[in-house]
This record gives sequence, structure tokens and C-alpha cells, in this order.
Amino acid sequence: EMVMTQSPATLSVSPGEGATLSCRTSQSVGTNLAWYQQKPGQAPRLLIYSASSRATGTPARFSGSGSGTEFTLTISSLQSEDFAVYYCQHYNNWPPWMFGQGTKVEMK
Amino acid sequence: QVQLVQSGNEVKKPGASVKVSCKTSGYTFYDYGIDWVRQAPGQGPEWMGWIGPYNGNTKYAQKLQGRVTVTADTSTNTAYMELRSLTSDDTAMYYCVRERRAYGAGVFSYWGQGTLITVSS
Repeated sequence: EMVMTQSPATLSVSPGEGATLSCRTSQSVGTNLAWYQQKPGQAPRLLIYSASSRATGTPARFSGSGSGTEFTLTISSLQSEDFAVYYCQHYNNWPPWMFGQGTKVEMK
Repeated sequence: QVQLVQSGNEVKKPGASVKVSCKTSGYTFYDYGIDWVRQAPGQGPEWMGWIGPYNGNTKYAQKLQGRVTVTADTSTNTAYMELRSLTSDDTAMYYCVRERRAYGAGVFSYWGQGTLITVSS
């Protein structure tokens, strides 16, 4: 079964700094990978799909890259509203589709 | 605008069943798949199942196979998720989600507000 590994578990960043989040899959998923942002008490929000395509409304400071088994979400300059938990999710050869365990981006 | 409005929170006893509704609006219900995703406290999301209203096909997570049923009523633009034989491990927030692309699958663009299911004796 597919294993999804996100790192780090927690990332401490100052506002204005950049952040790089990693997602690794145990089997190749091509570019069938999405990233979601979740704030406390809210549903997840789609940020990136197809590994690198920004969803409607996603600010340009968010970018996704990677293919196969290694993926990255980069936030170029963190704003206050970006402190949240970020999940990657694959949608290759379903079912099941799986989410990673998340990376919490917190204010330093 | 696209909206998915779920039924209210519920408390259930172990062994009981629960059925959650998801009333949609703002788009053509027939054309987009609906998924159900749950999230236990402090955990990542977990995909449960999918239905394509356009063909009636369903897919389920293997660990829930036999306990979960997802249906869609195209006359009322409403999707439903029923989970049976509840245990405390089923305590979670349950979300219905609309696919990003018509006739596509796997990218969750629009989320309901969530329904908290608590299983407790």
C-alpha cells in the first residue's frame, strides 16, 4: 500500500521568509498530487493540483513542483494568513486516495 | 457560487449507524463526482469513498468496505454517506467534497462545512 511521508512535521518560520515543504510517496504517482491548506476549525482548501498547477484563488507565492515520488510546496514569502497545516494528497490509481500526515507551518 | 451544506452534528452509540446528507447548489450536480473525507481529531484527512452522479458508480476505501455506502439523489442534488457498525474509532469530522473537474476524480475543490460524528457509550 502507498505510504505518504511529509517533512518536516513542524516548520517554524518568520513572516516574510520562505518555506519549503516536502512530500514523498512510496510509489510513483506521476504528477497526480495535490496540496491543501487547513486552518484550525476549517475544512482543507485546495492550493495546488497536478503537482504544480495553482487552484483558482491560490496566491502566486505558492508554487508546487516535482513528479514521480518527490514533491515540494514552496511559499516564497510567508504572510500571516499562511500559518496553517499543509497536506499533500495523491490521486493516482484509485482507490484509495491518500493524504500525508501534514506539515504545520508556525510562526517563529 | 458552489455550495455544499451538510447535515448537523450527531452523537451515536457504538454499533449504531449514521447517515450524513450533503445538499449541493451552484453547479450541475450530475456532472461532478462527490467524495467523502473524514478527519479524526489531530489526524490527517482520510478518503472514504466516491460517487459519480452521472453514472452511479461508487468506489470505497478498502478498510471501510462493507460498512459505508455513498448515494446520490439527482432529483434533489443531494449526496448521502451512511456508515454502519460504528465504533469509537469512527469519531471524526466528516466532509463531503466536490471534484474539481467534471467527470474527473481525485482533486477536491469544494468542501462542505463538515459534520462532527461522535461515537460514545
